[in-house]
Amino acid sequence: RKEVEQDPGPFNVPEGATVAFNCTYSNSASQSFFWYRQDCRKEPKLLMSVYSSGNEDGRFTAQLNRASQYISLLIRDSKLSDSATYLCVVNANTDKLIFGTGTRLQVFP
Amino acid sequence: NAGVMQNPRHLVRRRGQEARLRCSPMKGHSHVYWYRQLPEEGLKFMVYLQKENIIDESGMPKERFSAEFPKEGPSILRIQQVVRGDSAAYFCASSPTNEQYFGPGTRLTVT
Repeated sequence: RKEVEQDPGPFNVPEGATVAFNCTYSNSASQSFFWYRQDCRKEPKLLMSVYSSGNEDGRFTAQLNRASQYISLLIRDSKLSDSATYLCVVNANTDKLIFGTGTRLQVFP
Repeated sequence: NAGVMQNPRHLVRRRGQEARLRCSPMKGHSHVYWYRQLPEEGLKFMVYLQKENIIDESGMPKERFSAEFPKEGPSILRIQQVVRGDSAAYFCASSPTNEQYFGPGTRLTVT
C-alpha cells in the first residue's frame, strides 16, 4: 500500500464549478499535512498547510480527518488558472515529505 | 528575498559521466532537502542536510549518489557514473522549520 494515495484524475470541470479532492495516508504517526500544486514540468508550490480544525484560504478549503487518515481539498468557483496537478503531502515528523502522485485538474471555459 | 535557487536548470550527460547539481536555499533557511521526480511519477525524498551535516539519507541510492551542504556555498548533489535511469527532475527544497519551499529543479538527461 502506498504511503499517500490520491485519485490521479483527471478531473475535468467547467469554470465556476466546485471540485473536491481526497487523499488517504497510511502512517498514523503523521504530524503535518500539506497541499502543493505542481504545474507541468515545474516545481511544487505550497498551496496550504492542513490543520485538524480545517482551514480556508480564499476559494480553497482543506480538511483533515485523523481518525480516518484522510485529507481533503475543496476548490470553489474554479478558474482556468487552477488547472494543475494537486499533490497531497504528509510529514511523519521525520522532516522528509511523502508525496502522493497527484490529482490532475483541468478547468475548461 | 530570493527563492530557492538551483543550477543548472538543464543538464545533459553521457552514460558514465558525473553530474553535479547545486542548490542555494532561501536566505535564513538552514535545512536543505533533495527530491527526485521520475517521468510520470511523484516526488521521492532523497536526502536531508543541514550545514556540514547529513541528517537523513534514507532515500539515497546506496551507490554513485552523494550530497553535501558545506559551511560556505550551495548544497551539492553528485551523481557519479550516470546511467539512463538517472534521467529525472531533481528538486531541492529549503525550510526554516516545517514548511518546505522548492527550487525550480534541475532536469537531468542521460544520453
